[in-house]
Amino acid sequence: RKEVEQDPGPFNVPEGATVAFNCTYSNSASQSFFWYRQDCRKEPKLLMSVYSSGNEDGRFTAQLNRASQYISLLIRDSKLSDSATYLCVVNNLDTGNQFYFGTGTSLTVIP
Amino acid sequence: EPEVTQTPSHQVTQMGQEVILRCVPISNHLYFYWYRQILGQKVEFLVSFYNNEISEKSEIFDDQFSVERPDGSNFTLKIRSTKLEDSAMYFCASDGTPNYEQYFGPGTRLTVT
Repeated sequence: RKEVEQDPGPFNVPEGATVAFNCTYSNSASQSFFWYRQDCRKEPKLLMSVYSSGNEDGRFTAQLNRASQYISLLIRDSKLSDSATYLCVVNNLDTGNQFYFGTGTSLTVIP
Repeated sequence: EPEVTQTPSHQVTQMGQEVILRCVPISNHLYFYWYRQILGQKVEFLVSFYNNEISEKSEIFDDQFSVERPDGSNFTLKIRSTKLEDSAMYFCASDGTPNYEQYFGPGTRLTVT
């Protein structure tokens, strides 16, 4: 069973659209949650941490649902520069400082 | 803005050789990590390092691998007796906060021939 699962996409959306990604995790002891973005052949870059109460950073909103064990990322008013792969990352309490990455969801924003 | 740096950017080596990948984490960070990403696949955790010792390691991180912080700035990953399947991008990351927000270096692409 995979620790973290994401819909690989691809998601192709027009500029200005709103798009949402979901990610599920298998371990109920998971403690910390993150969204990273990765451009082609580049390193992952932290987009935002995901807090229990949900959090927003500009056009990006992250939500955590512990009961259903999923995390979501909402991008409003998509820009061409949002085109990337979005990685869901989870850290489990019982494995301490070990992080599990999803395979990523590919987003292409079309002019 | 402080950043994690890695050298070399690309390393080509023959099967059976040893390689050392180098990383300079952000200077005030305390936690250090190595990950690998095989082309087209997901990022995989290898090892985390804190207070001069390994804190966690994955199943991938077997006796072939070792890490070291030889001085106050460098953090290295040594791969002994490389195999073809070790070919991947290796990322170093660091974080200095209790909420585990990691910052990644640009990676070293390792090609084993």
